[in-house]
Amino acid sequence: DAGITQSPRYKITETGRQVTLMCHQTWSHSYMFWYRQDLGHGLRLIYYSAAADITDKGEVPDGYVVSRSKTENFPLTLESATRSQTSVYFCASSPVGYEQYFGPGTRLTVT
Amino acid sequence: QQQVKQSPQSLIVQKGGIPIINCAYENTAFDYFPWYQQFPGKGPALLIAIRPDVSEKKEGRFTISFNKSAKQFSLHIMDSQPGDSATYFCAASSYNFNKFYFGSGTKLNVKP
Repeated sequence: DAGITQSPRYKITETGRQVTLMCHQTWSHSYMFWYRQDLGHGLRLIYYSAAADITDKGEVPDGYVVSRSKTENFPLTLESATRSQTSVYFCASSPVGYEQYFGPGTRLTVT
Repeated sequence: QQQVKQSPQSLIVQKGGIPIINCAYENTAFDYFPWYQQFPGKGPALLIAIRPDVSEKKEGRFTISFNKSAKQFSLHIMDSQPGDSATYFCAASSYNFNKFYFGSGTKLNVKP
């Protein structure tokens, strides 16, 4: 089915571990985004990508790494997870940048 | 510093009422203002958006009012229904700049 998917939907990991959240879209949208959602903060942009091999930092990029070798995939890696990175992570895609379509989210808990 | 300030944090209305959610921004470079609706356990979904060249936009029961001089915009939901119960987020961005700033969200409860 066409759309945007995220995996895993739920993840529990330990402090210091590396974890990768996956995002896949079937629309061939040029733009892809990663947000984190925390109570009281709304959604905050972590990284975005305007095209394959083009990425840029958002508001809260520290502790995260992204790559985009293929248009349809935009993985987000936490190199050494911390408890402050416990959050719900949303991936989004857009054909033009400003009309964004969100995935279902990944709930990450860092213990 | 929060780029977009949203209020109220929560809102309860009776069915048929008109909830109003307000947002304010400071950066005059912003020129795209969307509203998103989010149900529990789901990702946000684009509801309606406005650009500053118009003062109002309607789509179905949802209306955005925009006041450029005051740097404020608001969402009105006409004839609200229990199915409208969700969290609503405003956002702001530059049209040719892809960084979005979201408000902190308003949890709306429409009572039957």
